[in-house]
Amino acid sequence: DSGVTQTPKHLITATGQRVTLRCSPRSGDLSVYWYQQSLDQGLQFLIQYYNGEERAKGNILERFSAQQFPDLHSELNLSSLELGDSALYFCASSVLGPPGELFFGEGSRLTVL
Amino acid sequence: EDKVVQSPLSLVVHEGDTVTLNCSYEVTNFRSLLWYKQEKKAPTFLFMLTSSGIEKKSGRLSSILDKKELFSILNITATQTGDSAVYLCAVEALMVGNKLVFGAGTILRVKS
Repeated sequence: DSGVTQTPKHLITATGQRVTLRCSPRSGDLSVYWYQQSLDQGLQFLIQYYNGEERAKGNILERFSAQQFPDLHSELNLSSLELGDSALYFCASSVLGPPGELFFGEGSRLTVL
Repeated sequence: EDKVVQSPLSLVVHEGDTVTLNCSYEVTNFRSLLWYKQEKKAPTFLFMLTSSGIEKKSGRLSSILDKKELFSILNITATQTGDSAVYLCAVEALMVGNKLVFGAGTILRVKS
């Protein structure tokens, strides 16, 4: 158990819908990262937050947004969902800004029908 | 664009074999290279390498980095069925807001 908690574990929804994925980082970790893992692709970096502020942005679509709250938990919002958004979404956390060792949650499996 | 390439994409070996997994990278402002093991869900950390030529070892696993040639290898000796997993290589780019760039992974299957 990495100490990173993600909910929900599984989510099935329809195209055009909006979902929110939630992540609680390890106690004491200030940085939260979101990654997307599709069947045919490796882990794709989406976005990083550090102590409530956006720190780095990767290949995150405009339909996606994220935020980190004062209690350091983070949410990833996915809207106008398309079939291609079906993937495993991982949250990871680390103590400081530079990731070094990342601690990954178990992921949220999103299926868009 | 930052890029991490792993090879082979997959391999099947028998218990007791030794395997070498490769990772090459092109990253602006390299800071470190990390190896992760992904069995079912969450990737778990194996090694972080920052200096060339210094081998990191943990049990039957070892890894080394060559910053001049821009690659790393992960060796697993005396493989066991429990080593079956996807092995991910990631490179940390030093920038405003560091990020990890992952390769697609190598799928290792160890047969008994």
